[in-house]
Amino acid sequence: DAKTTQPNSMESNEEEPVHLPCNHSTISGTDYIHWYRQLPSQGPEYVIHGLTSNVNNRMASLAIAEDRKSSTLILHRATLRDAAVYYCIPPSGNTPLVFGKGTRLSVIA
Amino acid sequence: SQTIHQWPATLVQPVGSPLSLECTVEGTSNPNLYWYRQAAGRGLQLLFYSVGIGQISSEVPQNLSASRPQDRQFILSSKKLLLSDSGFYLCAWSPGYYGYTFGSGTRLTVV
Repeated sequence: DAKTTQPNSMESNEEEPVHLPCNHSTISGTDYIHWYRQLPSQGPEYVIHGLTSNVNNRMASLAIAEDRKSSTLILHRATLRDAAVYYCIPPSGNTPLVFGKGTRLSVIA
Repeated sequence: SQTIHQWPATLVQPVGSPLSLECTVEGTSNPNLYWYRQAAGRGLQLLFYSVGIGQISSEVPQNLSASRPQDRQFILSSKKLLLSDSGFYLCAWSPGYYGYTFGSGTRLTVV
């Protein structure tokens, strides 16, 4: 799997946008970038994934750099329920997802 | 729609006792199935995965084993639990190698 680098923790105020960065400089040209999040005491849940162009869904947006060496998960309006550990995962080919340490997001009311 | 069931939710077992955790998936066929473990304060560790009946890949050689007796059933077992086996065990499925859905997990405490 490509090596990823994410900040250990981030903090956001409620109702404000949050930009969660991820560096994956060794990603191959065909590997998708996946984002999952894990709420306290729960299993991870899928957030979004993309290959080259930016992606949007009801949960978040994913901005992928043109050289694909980094991506940013964007939560447009953070809520208290978004407090979780966010994982950026670029799996290599047909291999199971390997979760790193992720970024712990705290949301302040 | 697809659902994943995992039980029990919590389990307290003595050291040296056996373990059997079961996971079943409904509403899909031939899913990829996974077992992960999360020790307290640690990250998620992939233990086993299966791409078909009877096909098990082990990522971590320990005193745990996995079996897939039916297409949508995945079982995690141990003959003798160790204190270090305590943790949060999560089963997951995916239609391919993307879009994982996790179960609600089993919190195992070995005493």
